[in-house]
Amino acid sequence: DAKTTQPNSMESNEEEPVHLPCNHSTISGTDYIHWYRQLPSQGPEYVIHGLTSNVNNRMASLAIAEDRKSSTLILHRATLRDAAVYYCILRAFNNNNDMRFGAGTRLTVKP
Amino acid sequence: KAGVTQTPRYLIKTRGQQVTLSCSPISGHRSVSWYQQTPGQGLQFLFEYFSETQRNKGNFPGRFSGRQFSNSRSEMNVSTLELGDSALYLCASGGLAASPGGSEQFFGPGTRLTVL
Repeated sequence: DAKTTQPNSMESNEEEPVHLPCNHSTISGTDYIHWYRQLPSQGPEYVIHGLTSNVNNRMASLAIAEDRKSSTLILHRATLRDAAVYYCILRAFNNNNDMRFGAGTRLTVKP
Repeated sequence: KAGVTQTPRYLIKTRGQQVTLSCSPISGHRSVSWYQQTPGQGLQFLFEYFSETQRNKGNFPGRFSGRQFSNSRSEMNVSTLELGDSALYLCASGGLAASPGGSEQFFGPGTRLTVL
């Protein structure tokens, strides 16, 4: 399985943008990049996913490098409720719903 | 739509016992995946069931097993419990892979198992 590398932790100030990086240098051409986050005392929740083009949804934006070896999850205005562990996961085109989580990035948001 | 429910939420067992955990997926979802989360190993995939068939299995010993019923509800069983089995057990439900790269997974709140 292709692996992802993320910083262990990051800090942000409330209402400022946050850029969470993920390296996946061994990504294959058919791997999708997914992001999930886990709030304290909860199960993970889906954030966003993409293949090649940048993606936006109500929660975040996903910027994918042209060579697809890295990606960045962007939270446009961090709130205290965004404090969580963020996981970057690669899923194959025909993935059967088994996701391989790394250690993730623990985001702390300061008021 | 009701979310994923897991029962019980908390459980205390002793070494050598066995335990059964239950997961009810979102209505209409046919895939149920199970994960183990520990401080040391993080989130690890156990197995996935789709339409009562195990499709994928992670790297766990045979003491960990599961099954899925015709109504998509799933159970996982751990026999001969060890101290290291203390963990948060999460299940996730997913619909058909309507989009490439896998469908969105919806996680339950988990069952906290403590083995004494």
